[in-house]
Amino acid sequence: KQEVTQIPAALSVPEGENLVLNCSFTDSAIYNLKWFRQDPGKGLTSLLLIQSSQREQTSGRLNASLDKSSGRSTLYIAASQPGDSATYLCAVNIGNQFYFGTGTSLTVIP
Amino acid sequence: DADVTQTPRNRITKTGKRIMLECSQTKGHDRMYWYRQDPGLGLRLIYYSFDVKDINKGEISDGYSVSRQAQAKFSLSLESAIPNQTALYFCATSDFEPAAANYNEQFFGPGTRLTVL
Repeated sequence: KQEVTQIPAALSVPEGENLVLNCSFTDSAIYNLKWFRQDPGKGLTSLLLIQSSQREQTSGRLNASLDKSSGRSTLYIAASQPGDSATYLCAVNIGNQFYFGTGTSLTVIP
Repeated sequence: DADVTQTPRNRITKTGKRIMLECSQTKGHDRMYWYRQDPGLGLRLIYYSFDVKDINKGEISDGYSVSRQAQAKFSLSLESAIPNQTALYFCATSDFEPAAANYNEQFFGPGTRLTVL
């Protein structure tokens, strides 16, 4: 079974800092990997999708990278803002299944 | 995703009651999923369906059943609700089309918060 791990579980940074969130997975035969944002008690907001043939995707201040061989993905957030405070989830798609990490709870301190 | 809707958005019920959560989608996707989310445990798959005639159990199907009434509708039922089924429930869809740029990308509904007393 695919295991998806996100470390750290929680992270606090001062406003303006650049930061990196990590996602690791055990089976490299993935179709794609997706990063989501979730605000407390709310649904999942899609951030970036990386297909297995891609190395990275960028959207605004966000950049996601994928290294299948090492089973890792990172989400880079530039110039963090208090509005970035949320839980960030990664999910990998392998075969017919999607596997989710438990998330990193990010707090950006004004 | 606004194209995936869930009803109700919030529900409080009592132990032993039958509950149905409904999911509808206008994305035209064949594949639909039900997940539950508990604090600290991430999302866990309950059931999934790849077309109207295909239903599959996920990681935690005990105590749940589903119905795929049409391509666009996928319902989750709790036949006799119990307190440990209190959770946030998500429906999702995907379209497994290898020729598409973002094939098999999942799209989520807004979630249903279910509380079983």
